[in-house]
This record gives sequence, structure tokens and C-alpha cells, in this order.
Amino acid sequence: AQSVTQLGSHVSVSEGALVLLRCNYSSSVPPYLFWYVQYPNQGLQLLLKYTSAATLVKGINGFEAEFKKSETSFHLTKPSAHMSDAAEYFCAVSTYSSASKIIFGSGTRLSIRP
Amino acid sequence: NAGVMQNPRHLVRRRGQEARLRCSPMKGHSHVYWYRQLPEEGLKFMVYLQKENIIDESGMPKERFSAEFPKEGPSILRIQQVVRGDSAAYFCASSPSGLAGSTGELFFGEGSRLTVL
Repeated sequence: AQSVTQLGSHVSVSEGALVLLRCNYSSSVPPYLFWYVQYPNQGLQLLLKYTSAATLVKGINGFEAEFKKSETSFHLTKPSAHMSDAAEYFCAVSTYSSASKIIFGSGTRLSIRP
Repeated sequence: NAGVMQNPRHLVRRRGQEARLRCSPMKGHSHVYWYRQLPEEGLKFMVYLQKENIIDESGMPKERFSAEFPKEGPSILRIQQVVRGDSAAYFCASSPSGLAGSTGELFFGEGSRLTVL
């Protein structure tokens, strides 16, 4: 069975600083990997996805993530944080054999300091 | 084009009562997923349905919980004889295909927050 682990339930960065949210996955077969963002009192929105094409994936709002098989990681980064980036971010995994189901991590709450 | 609609947004029930949560998927979507989000936890998969069929209910508790997605009308998640541990946010997501796991195309509603007193 596949799973994801998000390191750090809360991350705080200054506006303009680098954002790094960590995600490690576990899967016995090649995974599909996703990052979703959840703003307060809203549902989740897809930020970006990795589906075995390019290992560096660019998403919306300047976010990107790199798939590193050797490290079983899919960390999310953004060069310069903006106040509007404050939200909860979820890493998620699926596989071809279970393509109907996406498994989510426990989430990382990102706070931005002025 | 309306998004995924969930109602009620907030529901308060006393222990032992029944809770019914409704989800209308996006237009043209025939695949519905229910997830539960407990405080300080991530989303836990509960059930995946297509019209009139339960495809995967591996995340559903064995007792008191049921889900349906009839040919006409919204998908319904039903919790009988609620207990305090059922207090959570319940999210519905819809997809245009059964391959959401490969496309990431899950469109979420804003959730229904159940509080059990």
C-alpha cells in the first residue's frame, strides 16, 4: 500500500523567503504524486502533479516540486513567499493500479510573517 | 458552471442521532469520493462511488456509516447513531473519470462540518 509522510505540521516563513514543504512517499510501484492546497473553510485545490514525465513539475502560483526517486521525496518549493500563500498544503499519492483512489498526507500549515 | 456543492455546511447532532450529508458533483461528473478530515489530521479516504454503484468502500467504518449515489440526485453520506468521535469535516470530491488517481482531477466541495454534542 502507498502512503505519504509530511514532515512538519506547521511551517512559518517571512514574506519573500523561500518556501520548502517536505513530503516523502512510500510505494512499491511507480507513484503518481500530487500537491493540493486548502484555504480556510474551503475544499482542496490541485496545485501540481507528477505522473512520470518530467521530474521537476511546475504548478500554479509559482510553486514547483521535484520528484527524487532515490530519496523517495516530492518536496514543494517556492522561491519567494507571498502573504496569500498562507494555507494548508497536502501531499498525496496514487498508483496506476489504484488510479481511482488518492491517499493524502496529514498536511502542513504554512504561515507567512510580514 | 457550478462547482461541487455540499450541504449542509454545518450540522450539529446529539449522540445517537442520524447525520445525512449531501453532495452534488460538478456537472458532467459521475464519480464521487468522500473523505473525512479530523482535527489536526489529513484527509482520510472513505468511499468512492459511481452512479448507483459503490466502487471502493475500504475506508468506511464497518458500522453506522453508509453512502449512496443514486441515478438521480446527490450523493449522500449517512451516519447513524452518531458519537462524539464522528465530529469532523466531511469532504466530497467529484471527478469526470475513474482515473482521478492518475490525473489528480479531484474537484472538492467546501465540506460539511459535523459536530456531535
